[in-house]
Amino acid sequence: GENVEQHPSTLSVQEGDSAVIKCTYSDSASNYFPWYKQELGKGPQLIIDIRSNVGEKKDQRIAVTLNKTAKHFSLHITETQPEDSAVYFCAASSGGGADGLTFGKGTHLIIQP
Amino acid sequence: ETGVTQTPRHLVMGMTNKKSLKCEQHLGHNAMYWYKQSAKKPLELMFVYSLEERVENNSVPSRFSPECPNSSHLFLHLHTLQPEDSALYLCASSQDPWQISTEAFFGQGTRLTVV
Repeated sequence: GENVEQHPSTLSVQEGDSAVIKCTYSDSASNYFPWYKQELGKGPQLIIDIRSNVGEKKDQRIAVTLNKTAKHFSLHITETQPEDSAVYFCAASSGGGADGLTFGKGTHLIIQP
Repeated sequence: ETGVTQTPRHLVMGMTNKKSLKCEQHLGHNAMYWYKQSAKKPLELMFVYSLEERVENNSVPSRFSPECPNSSHLFLHLHTLQPEDSALYLCASSQDPWQISTEAFFGQGTRLTVV
């Protein structure tokens, strides 16, 4: 089955700086890579996703890159703000929603004022 | 609001109790899921339902019993749980389980404590 590794487990950055979270996956058949943000007391919420036929996707301050050859993908947040503080999860899926998503362990992002 | 509602938000139960978690989605989706979220571990998929039929059971102990009476409702029946079952239980739904790259919408979860 799929295995997703996520690093770092905790990331502290100064407000206004950039944050990068990295994930690797094991199943070369995986073709969908979403990123979820989970705030305290809430369920995970999708913030951006990328499919295997695309190398990079950007949405305002958030971008995701995918390297299928190396089997890794990354989340980039620029100009970080206090409201970006949360736990971020990467995930991978190879067969559509029925297989469910295989998640990484999460990264606790702390934005220092 | 994500359109997926879970109740209760918090639950404390003894090891001999029987309780149920409820999930309701208002998105018209065809697939629903139960995930378990434990501290310092990845979210673990427990069950998948597609059009009210179970399609995946990731070797979950029988003390967890899912039920999907219709495409909008999902239950997780709990009995004789162990303290290690304490976790956040998350429900999710998606439009089409057989479609690649289908976004999953999560509820806020039920924080379960087994004493």
